[in-house]
Amino acid sequence: DTEVTQTPKHLVMGMTNKKSLKCEQHMGHRAMYWYKQKAKKPPELMFVYSYEKLSINESVPSRFSPECPNSSLLNLHLHALQPEDSALYLCASSQPGTERAKNIQYFGAGTRLSVL
Amino acid sequence: QQQVKQSPQSLIVQKGGISIINCAYENTAFDYFPWYQQFPGKGPALLIAIRPDVSEKKEGRFTISFNKSAKQFSLHIMDSQPGDSATYFCAASKETSGSRLTFGEGTQLTVNP
Repeated sequence: DTEVTQTPKHLVMGMTNKKSLKCEQHMGHRAMYWYKQKAKKPPELMFVYSYEKLSINESVPSRFSPECPNSSLLNLHLHALQPEDSALYLCASSQPGTERAKNIQYFGAGTRLSVL
Repeated sequence: QQQVKQSPQSLIVQKGGISIINCAYENTAFDYFPWYQQFPGKGPALLIAIRPDVSEKKEGRFTISFNKSAKQFSLHIMDSQPGDSATYFCAASKETSGSRLTFGEGTQLTVNP
């Protein structure tokens, strides 16, 4: 099973709302990622968790707050977003430490976020 | 700045033809070069990948050609099918940066029946 599950698939929120995106994988991967993808553009890395610890934060605004409650779950908490934050938010996971496997990132289908 | 340049931006091929997408990189420390395929409404999926110790890797109709001296690599899709219509991203990473992928800008491939 190489599945990364993201919920919800679609989300519409106002600029004053608080919402959360969820990501789950059961492949035993210990690295998990959040990406933002605009239309016709490549994914942009936002955050990386390695062994449940935040290892990379790509200078993302504080209105995005990641959380990794355990090795299978990854959340992205959203608060006071701007319309320009509307995008596809992708979660990915990989298995660090094994030379040939560690760069294989498995992506979820994403959450399509619209900020009004 | 680490960059991966991808071309063309879009590509239209007839069914049965060969699709070729090219990428060039600058950082010689990159040691892993995957290609991702993305269908509308889906996340990217790993298609095929190569490391710089080989010049070519083939998996079914998909082949990566790698030229280390030119710092270029390309994806060839043989006998292209309408179901191959998708956006293709090349990427590169280096071991010391963990799993940080540097993506190309993407190629939108359309295979006409």
